[in-house]
Parts: sequence; C-alpha cells; structure tokens
Amino acid sequence: GAVVSQHPSRVICKSGTSVKIECRSLDFQATTMFWYRQFPKQSLMLMATSNEGSKATYEQGVEKDKFLINHASLTLSTLTVTSAHPEDSSFYICSATPLDTQYFGPGTRLTVL
Amino acid sequence: TQLLEQSPQFLSIQEGENLTVYCNSSSVFSSLQWYRQEPGEGPVLLVTVVTGGEVKKLKRLTFQFGDARKDSSLHITAAQPGDTGLYLCAGAPGGNQFYFGTGTSLTVIP
Repeated sequence: GAVVSQHPSRVICKSGTSVKIECRSLDFQATTMFWYRQFPKQSLMLMATSNEGSKATYEQGVEKDKFLINHASLTLSTLTVTSAHPEDSSFYICSATPLDTQYFGPGTRLTVL
Repeated sequence: TQLLEQSPQFLSIQEGENLTVYCNSSSVFSSLQWYRQEPGEGPVLLVTVVTGGEVKKLKRLTFQFGDARKDSSLHITAAQPGDTGLYLCAGAPGGNQFYFGTGTSLTVIP
C-alpha cells in the first residue's frame, strides 16, 4: 500500500518558537494532502487541505497565519506552527489520497513548554 | 466541525462479547470509511463503503452503510483483546475531504 511519512515524530519546543512538520508521500505523487490535529482521547479534526502549487484551504476556525502550509512539490507538504503556545500541543497527522483511498502518516507529537 | 456523531463514546467489554458502534449524521456522504487507531499512531483504514444499504464483512467485523448514506454501523463479533483501540468513522460529503466522527474508544478485557 501507499506510504506516507512524517518528520519529526516528536518535537518539544519553547513557547513563542516556530515548528515545521513535514509530510511526504514516499511512493506516489500527491497533488492534495490533508492536515489534521488530534487532542488526547479525541477524534481527528481536519485543519486544512494542502494543494500542490497553490494556497491551502483552511477549515473554519483554523488560523491561516498561525498554521502555515506549503505544498511545494508533489511529494511534500509542510505545516509550520508559528509562535507556538502550550495550547498548540497536540498530535498532528497528515494524509494523502492516491486515487480514492486516504493514507495517513504516523503523526507528529508536538509539545510546547 | 464534526459532522459525524459516534456512539457510544467509550465501551468496555469482556472478551467474547459482541458489540456495535454507530456513526450518525444529518448530512449525506458520497462515501464513508471506518478506521482503527492505536495510541500515538495514525489511523489505519478498515473499510470504505459507498453504496446506500451496502454491507461489508471483514472477518469478525461487519460494516453497514445506511440506505440514505447518512449513517453507518460497525459490528464486532466475539471481541478479542487485540480489537482494543479507537474506532473512527469518516465521511466525505463530496470531493476528497474526509471529516471524522467523534470516535469510540473500545477496551476488550481478557
């Protein structure tokens, strides 16, 4: 099956700093990728749709200037959490959809101190 | 925004028992998927249903898509400890964006 990777798997940062999370499709090209966040014991919330070569589409309530998404190539999308605060601590997961099946990355655990 | 409500939210049962998880919405979905997620990992796809009234079986798991394509259910027969995990439904209203349900945390006690 298709493989999606994320890097880093875990990151701890100080409040006020920015953190970049990478999502890569390893064996297929993805013109569209999705970013989700998940709080402990909760479900996944769709944050934004990342479109290769164009601006991301953000879900209602998600701050565009805080969660910067760049989809510069057909195999890489990045999510940058700018000026991170403790409330941004969460599990961030990306996915890509070759054909009609959604494949998820292993997730990135962000902890903001 | 979570368009899909799952019930129950938490479920703890003994090994060998049967269970059903429900996924309900007022929206119509072109397709609906069920996932299982382990702590600290991404969700793993179990099944995709696309036709109203469709029933799919995967070993001890039976998935049903409602006739109106607004709801779905997951039935597990003779649950085993290895079935423990977070079960998530996800629906696509149209296009390729999926919205997840509220989740059902299942614990199967040996």
